[in-house]
Amino acid sequence: GAVVSQHPSWVICKSGTSVKIECRSLDFQATTMFWYRQFPKQSLMLMATSNEGSKATYEQGVEKDKFLINHASLTLSTLTVTSAHPEDSSFYICSAPPPLQGDEQFFGPGTRLTVL
Amino acid sequence: RKEVEQDPGPFNVPEGATVAFNCTYSNSASQSFFWYRQDCRKEPKLLMSVYSSGNEDGRFTAQLNRASQYISLLIRDSKLSDSATYLCVVNRGSYIPTFGRGTSLIVHP
Repeated sequence: GAVVSQHPSWVICKSGTSVKIECRSLDFQATTMFWYRQFPKQSLMLMATSNEGSKATYEQGVEKDKFLINHASLTLSTLTVTSAHPEDSSFYICSAPPPLQGDEQFFGPGTRLTVL
Repeated sequence: RKEVEQDPGPFNVPEGATVAFNCTYSNSASQSFFWYRQDCRKEPKLLMSVYSSGNEDGRFTAQLNRASQYISLLIRDSKLSDSATYLCVVNRGSYIPTFGRGTSLIVHP
């Protein structure tokens, strides 16, 4: 089946630093990828839709200047959390819909971010 | 009203029991529907798509009621390994997925 990877799987950083998370589709091309955030015991919240070759589409309430998304190729999207603060600590997951397989999503394994 | 609503549970059932979850959605233009399973600290994995005619996969049965805007998941003969959080997912326009908060299932011996 289609595989989506994420790197890193976990990261601990100091407040004020920036953290970059990569999402890769390993065996298919993804013109669209989705980024989510999940707090403990909460649902996945869609943050933004990453579009290859164009600007990302952010959900209401998500700061585009804080969560920078770049979809530079058909297999890679990156999410950069700028000037991270403790309240940004969360589980960040990406997903991509493989082409010609309906509209289900394949998820990356997630990145657990802890900001001290 | 939230776009996708689920009872968070937990549903605590013995092995072998039958358990059912419901999920309601608010956008009548929603196009496709899924149940995902998420284990603790892991990414969601597709359990099954939900079709208008209803569909079954082994012990799992999914139903869609467009008129009442809800989908359901029935699990028969529960196993210990079924313990997880079950996420209802509804795709709105442009196949953008919206997740329910999940229903926690605990199957005990």
